[in-house]
Amino acid sequence: DAGVIQSPRHEVTEMGQEVTLRCKPISGHDYLFWYRQTMMRGLELLIYFNNNVPIDDSGMPEDRFSAKMPNASFSTLKIQPSEPRDSAVYFCASTGQGVFYEQFFGPGTRLTVL
Amino acid sequence: AQSVTQLDSQVPVFEEAPVELRCNYSSSVSVYLFWYVQYPNQGLQLLLKYLSGSTLVESINGFEAEFNKSQTSFHLRKPSVHISDTAEYFCAVSAWDDYKLSFGAGTTVTVRA
Repeated sequence: DAGVIQSPRHEVTEMGQEVTLRCKPISGHDYLFWYRQTMMRGLELLIYFNNNVPIDDSGMPEDRFSAKMPNASFSTLKIQPSEPRDSAVYFCASTGQGVFYEQFFGPGTRLTVL
Repeated sequence: AQSVTQLDSQVPVFEEAPVELRCNYSSSVSVYLFWYVQYPNQGLQLLLKYLSGSTLVESINGFEAEFNKSQTSFHLRKPSVHISDTAEYFCAVSAWDDYKLSFGAGTTVTVRA
């Protein structure tokens, strides 16, 4: 298995631009998580899905952030408009029955907003 | 809700010396406990976990952690570290039978020769 796939690995954009981060979970996993990691705030859970349905989005910072999971093999995290304080590493993780609660993380997307 | 406190933000240690990373959790329900490791510029990887059964759990690369319910702790230990153990270590907790994790702030371990 290729593991969790995230794209792009690096993104540099200017303030005010729309940013879309992409994630492909491990096949067969029915939970998908989006995290943000910064030096100041550590690792934060933004939102998670079960069977493509958002279960808890209480970690989404504000309305500029949105996430979708149109099918079991694809999810997006969108920031519109982006701001410098959104600069962080964004991780996607997946898990499901049979892996005993272990979350498998992708390599992350390093976002820099200028 | 669950929360985790990692008591040490940075732990410098010499190669072949022992190391202990402290983790305390708070929860009103039964919990599952995890240690994840993050190597530079990579995602997190599971190191070990406690779900039930023996309170002492071990990883394949020599780490161990003990679940102590009375002290609400899940400290991570390794008797002899290698340079390759240099990484950031995260303690995490979830409620019993829940997939949502709460992570601690992380402990950076730097192993020096």
